[in-house]
Amino acid sequence: EAGVAQSPRYKIIEKRQSVAFWCNPISGHATLYWYQQILGQGPKLLIQFQNNGVVDDSQLPKDRFSAERLKGVDSTLKIQPAKLEDSAVYLCASSLTANERGYTFGSGTRLTVV
Amino acid sequence: AQTVTQSQPEMSVQEAETVTLSCTYDTSENNYYLFWYKQPPSRQMILVIRQEAYKQQNATENRFSVNFQKAAKSFSLKISDSQLGDTAMYFCAFYNNNDMRFGAGTRLTVKP
Repeated sequence: EAGVAQSPRYKIIEKRQSVAFWCNPISGHATLYWYQQILGQGPKLLIQFQNNGVVDDSQLPKDRFSAERLKGVDSTLKIQPAKLEDSAVYLCASSLTANERGYTFGSGTRLTVV
Repeated sequence: AQTVTQSQPEMSVQEAETVTLSCTYDTSENNYYLFWYKQPPSRQMILVIRQEAYKQQNATENRFSVNFQKAAKSFSLKISDSQLGDTAMYFCAFYNNNDMRFGAGTRLTVKP
């Protein structure tokens, strides 16, 4: 089966600019996650979707971050305006359900804010 | 809240030897799941091994095995016959009730 697709792979922007990341999960996976991985740290959950509804966005900085999952398939994560501390890898993952079998991750987008 | 601690930021091992990566966690839950993920330079997180907390038997997957000590809240990963392709970041993760938490990772280098 095809894996979790993410684009772009790399992105460099200036602070205060906006940026968007795209994720296409594994076909049939109802649950989709966006994680932020700062250099030297483990991934931190930003938002979790079940189909097209938000399950958990408690760690999402809502003043600048937004995410949507239209039609319960693809998802987009946006940052506007970006700050230097947003430099990180943004990982998307999906699972059949929010379950204990582990998630399938994409290769992530490395964002550098200068 | 659950926390996951990996106390070894970096480790190295000679090819064909055995290495053990440590992980401890803190939880008041009784039923949960533990994972080890591998993250090579390609950045994709790859599931290595999974353990259900209600199972006493340690999980094994080919050269990878775990030592799960529930009372001690310890979950170490043993890699036998290390290969150059095992070079990567390794993350320990705790899952319970729709919440997956990761440790800070251990960078493993396998030397030829």
